[in-house]
Amino acid sequence: DTAVSQTPKYLVTQMGNDKSIKCEQNLGHDTMYWYKQDSKKFLKIMFSYNNKELIINETVPNRFSPKSPDKAHLNLHINSLELGDSAVYFCASSPAQGHTDTQYFGPGTRLTVL
Amino acid sequence: GQNIDQPTEMTATEGAIVQINCTYQTSGFNGLFWYQQHAGEAPTFLSYNVLDGLEEKGRFSSFLSRSKGYSYLLLKELQMKDSASYLCAVCDSNYQLIWGAGTKLIIKP
Repeated sequence: DTAVSQTPKYLVTQMGNDKSIKCEQNLGHDTMYWYKQDSKKFLKIMFSYNNKELIINETVPNRFSPKSPDKAHLNLHINSLELGDSAVYFCASSPAQGHTDTQYFGPGTRLTVL
Repeated sequence: GQNIDQPTEMTATEGAIVQINCTYQTSGFNGLFWYQQHAGEAPTFLSYNVLDGLEEKGRFSSFLSRSKGYSYLLLKELQMKDSASYLCAVCDSNYQLIWGAGTKLIIKP
C-alpha cells in the first residue's frame, strides 16, 4: 500500500486555467504538507495542516488554496495558473505537529503551465 | 535570515567514501535532517540529528556540531544507486523545516 499518494503524477495545462492536485496518506498522521520544488531543486513549504487546521501558510499567492476534507487528505487547488507555477509539487505527512518528526513524501506532481 | 549551504554537486568513485557538508544559520535549532532524492522521485528520510556527534546507520553516517552550525553526511562503500541529490534540512525554533538546495552526487564506475 502506498503511504502517501498524489494524483495526477503529471499535469499539463494552459495559463489561466484552474486545477487541483489531490493527496492522501494512509499512515494515520496528524500533519500534512504541500511543497513546491522548482527547477533549482529548492524545496519550499507552501502549507501544512494539522487536524484540519492550517498551521503554516507561507507567503504563497492566494491563488493557491489548500483544502482538507479530513485528516487523511490535503488537496491543493490553484486558480488562474501562471507560467511561474510550473514545478514539481510534493505532498508530505508527519506523525505530529512538531517538525522534528520525519516527513514522508508523496511521489510528486509535475505541473507544466503552457 | 535563515540559510542552509551545501555544495551544488560532487563526484565520487564506486566503492569509495564521500562526505557531503551542510552549514546552517537558523533562528533556533530543533534538529537537522538528511534526505535522499533520486531524480524524478520524492525525497526519502535518511537521518535525524539533534545532539552533537556521529550517528551511524549502515553505510551512511551523519555528524552534527551545533556550536559550529555544521553537519555532514558520510557515505561509505559507494554504490551506483547512491547517485542522487542529498538534501539537508534544519528544524528551526518555530518548528519550521528550512531546506537546503541539495547536493547532487554523481557516482562513477
